[in-house]
Amino acid sequence: AQRVTQPEKLLSVFKGAPVELKCNYSYSGSPELFWYVQYSRQRLQLLLRHISRESIKGFTADLNKGETSFHLKKPFAQEEDSAMYYCALSVGGFKTIFGAGTRLFVKA
Amino acid sequence: ETGVTQSPTHLIKTRGQQVTLRCSSQSGHNTVSWYQQALGQGPQFIFQYYREEENGRGNFPPRFSGLQFPNYSSELNVNALELDDSALYLCASSLVQGETDTQYFGPGTRLTVL
Repeated sequence: AQRVTQPEKLLSVFKGAPVELKCNYSYSGSPELFWYVQYSRQRLQLLLRHISRESIKGFTADLNKGETSFHLKKPFAQEEDSAMYYCALSVGGFKTIFGAGTRLFVKA
Repeated sequence: ETGVTQSPTHLIKTRGQQVTLRCSSQSGHNTVSWYQQALGQGPQFIFQYYREEENGRGNFPPRFSGLQFPNYSSELNVNALELDDSALYLCASSLVQGETDTQYFGPGTRLTVL
């Protein structure tokens, strides 16, 4: 079965602290993984995708096929990072499966 | 370049009725996907249209149907509405050229079924 699991519904960290949002996937094929973000009163938007291997707004994510994980990390959280984060898996080039999301709250 | 738009913003229907939701894709995009997002959940894939043909479908019954028009605008139709159909419906457009490409999401239509 194809599935994306985000074990934390809410993650609260202090400004300047490291942050890691966890994502695990289940897929027998070659995975294409994404992180989407939704800031308050804004629409869902792509944050990064694993094939780009780039850092966006200081966030990085490494695909670990052995652990079937794609955790999102940032060394120093900022207040403006507070948002809803969704991990997503693309299947067959047309279907995207989203996790339930993790709400990140960065405290001043 | 205009972004993805959806109409209406909010909609209230009663059980058993039919509803049509509309989406206007980002300029130049040839693919649209529709998602259902229940409260507290991530978006669930309903189906995707590529150049006016259904390109793939999620685990939704046939009473969920769609259309994509030559100008790449799109509709989601839901027949025989049920209470569980109450959700935020999102469309996302992309320019697919042989592989998965970035999806751009609309603001969504909030459907309430009473």
